Amino acid sequence: AQSVTQLDSQVPVFEEAPVELRCNYSSSVSVYLFWYVQYPNQGLQLLLKYLSGSTLVKGINGFEAEFNKSQTSFHLRKPSVHISDTAEYFCALSTGGGNKLTFGTGTQLKVEL
Amino acid sequence: DAGVIQSPRHEVTEMGQEVTLRCKPISGHNSLFWYRQTMMRGLELLIYFNNNVPIDDSGMPEDRFSAKMPNASFSTLKIQPSEPRDSAVYFCASSPLGTGYTGELFFGEGSRLTVL
Repeated sequence: AQSVTQLDSQVPVFEEAPVELRCNYSSSVSVYLFWYVQYPNQGLQLLLKYLSGSTLVKGINGFEAEFNKSQTSFHLRKPSVHISDTAEYFCALSTGGGNKLTFGTGTQLKVEL
Repeated sequence: DAGVIQSPRHEVTEMGQEVTLRCKPISGHNSLFWYRQTMMRGLELLIYFNNNVPIDDSGMPEDRFSAKMPNASFSTLKIQPSEPRDSAVYFCASSPLGTGYTGELFFGEGSRLTVL
């Protein structure tokens, strides 16, 4: 079985500060990894994904994530956040082959002035 | 390209009434998922279909919930009878299935259900 752990349920940060949202996973087979963002009263949008190749993945809105197989992590980072980045962020994994996506519990990012 | 389309966007009903939520997946996608999101329980997978066939319905809370996918372009999630604890946002998502399948999902905007 696979699992995704997002240890931080809430992350407050000041505008223009850097942020890291942590994601760890567990799987006995190779995985595909995703970060989704959910703005208030909206559906989930794909932020970035790791399928294979370079371990540093760049996504929309200046976010990036690094796949670390030895640490089984896929942390999301942004060097300078904006008020508009306030949202909930979900880490997810899939093993492909028609199997479902497994989501973490989400991290609420709150950017303050 | 049109995304996943859900209707209604908002539904307010009284306890005991039947509720039907609808979803049109992205054309060409042959996997469809129904999720429920609440403050208490977060994002929960209720059921998913591959090629219109239900694959895993273990997340369906109880017999009051049922889902169908009569064809590749339409799915319904029905609650009968509805209860206040069913109040939540229900999301539909779709994905392509086949060579190169990665599991990436494309979500609709959600249907916000309030049961009084």
